[in-house]
Amino acid sequence: DAKTTQPTSMDCAEGRAANLPCNHSTISGNEYVYWYRQIHSQGPQYIIHGLKNNETNEMASLIITEDRKSSTLILPHATLRDTAVYYCIVRVAGIYNQGGKLIFGQGTELSVKP
Amino acid sequence: GAVVSQHPSRVICKSGTSVKIECRSLDFQATTMFWYRQFPKQSLMLMATSNEGSKATYEQGVEKDKFLINHASLTLSTLTVTSAHPEDSSFYICSAGEEAFFGQGTRLTVV
Repeated sequence: DAKTTQPTSMDCAEGRAANLPCNHSTISGNEYVYWYRQIHSQGPQYIIHGLKNNETNEMASLIITEDRKSSTLILPHATLRDTAVYYCIVRVAGIYNQGGKLIFGQGTELSVKP
Repeated sequence: GAVVSQHPSRVICKSGTSVKIECRSLDFQATTMFWYRQFPKQSLMLMATSNEGSKATYEQGVEKDKFLINHASLTLSTLTVTSAHPEDSSFYICSAGEEAFFGQGTRLTVV
């Protein structure tokens, strides 16, 4: 079972920041928070991941609370092409053990509107 | 980022036939790959873990004799849907690499 809880859907105005929350209250000390997104009829796309520090890359920022029980993915200037389902997943690093596999929940369907 | 390629992107087959889907890591070696299935309006469901040079590990409820996985090289894993039926129609996706880079998916339709 997925270890995360996300809102089913969210809307965001084009050009504004999209803030997508995720709860992972049972996260273990060695588990990372990963974010992916899936545009309709395509394979998921890796966005960002982090352990406890905030992370930023060219796509997004990841803010993880100090207790690590929740996080927020921030798309700073959402565009229409960011419309997708966003998945928050917790997993241990290292795919060579069973904990490293990705278990997808239902994700958040983000709609960016003009 | 790393590239994972799937082939074919779409396939239509007759009921009772077998279909092979390929997953390739194009610019890195992958001793482990993962296969997922996704039905319309649903999330991805992990089917199995493909291990280079050894048997695949299947998730509970996935029939290993129906979904044959072969990982014969460090850049290629194949999923064969044997004796396909209409209920096997789905979107099949593979992933590889530490950050789990995904292929573009294969839309299988069994008629």
